[in-house]
Amino acid sequence: SQTIHQWPATLVQPVGSPLSLECTVEGTSNPNLYWYRQAAGRGLQLLFYSVGIGQISSEVPQNLSASRPQDRQFILSSKKLLLSDSGFYLCAWRPWHGRRDNEQFFGPGTRLTVL
Amino acid sequence: SQQGEEDPQALSIQEGENATMNCSYKTSINNLQWYRQNSGRGLVHLILIRSNEREKHSGRLRVTLDTSKKSSSLLITASRAADTASYFCATVVTQGGSEKLVFGKGMKLTVNP
Repeated sequence: SQTIHQWPATLVQPVGSPLSLECTVEGTSNPNLYWYRQAAGRGLQLLFYSVGIGQISSEVPQNLSASRPQDRQFILSSKKLLLSDSGFYLCAWRPWHGRRDNEQFFGPGTRLTVL
Repeated sequence: SQQGEEDPQALSIQEGENATMNCSYKTSINNLQWYRQNSGRGLVHLILIRSNEREKHSGRLRVTLDTSKKSSSLLITASRAADTASYFCATVVTQGGSEKLVFGKGMKLTVNP
């Protein structure tokens, strides 16, 4: 069965510090991968998605970046965090095999607080 | 951009009652999905209804879809305290040849024991 992991679960970082959040998927190959951010009491904002190694699409211009160094690894990074980067970051995956359903499977999330 | 909008934004009911959540969307869709999120956790897919379907059941869940009105509803029957969570509708939007899942802001359901 497939599983998705995110770490760390929580993170408190000072403004201006770097960021690296990691997401890995097990039990599947060539998944589509997604990074979302959820502000308090808000819906999900799609930040990045990837259809393959090294293929990253950005949805919202910001000081965040994403990378996919391996098939089942998706990393969210920042060189200098802003206060507005605080939020709940969710990684998700879906099968690549062309299903039209687009059902996504979410990780447990990372709570980021920037002080 | 916001595609789905849940209504109401918050609902508080007693255990055993039914809970109905509505979702409106703007563009044509292939399918509409409902997800659930427990506080501080990731989202869990509940049910998907395709554009050529009008109603679908899964356990205590019933989803309807009215493509003419661009709306969907999620009914949870015989609610339990464990159903307390936020519920999101999501639709697939095609942009630049890619398909993305766009979520509404969510609706917080509280089921009181």
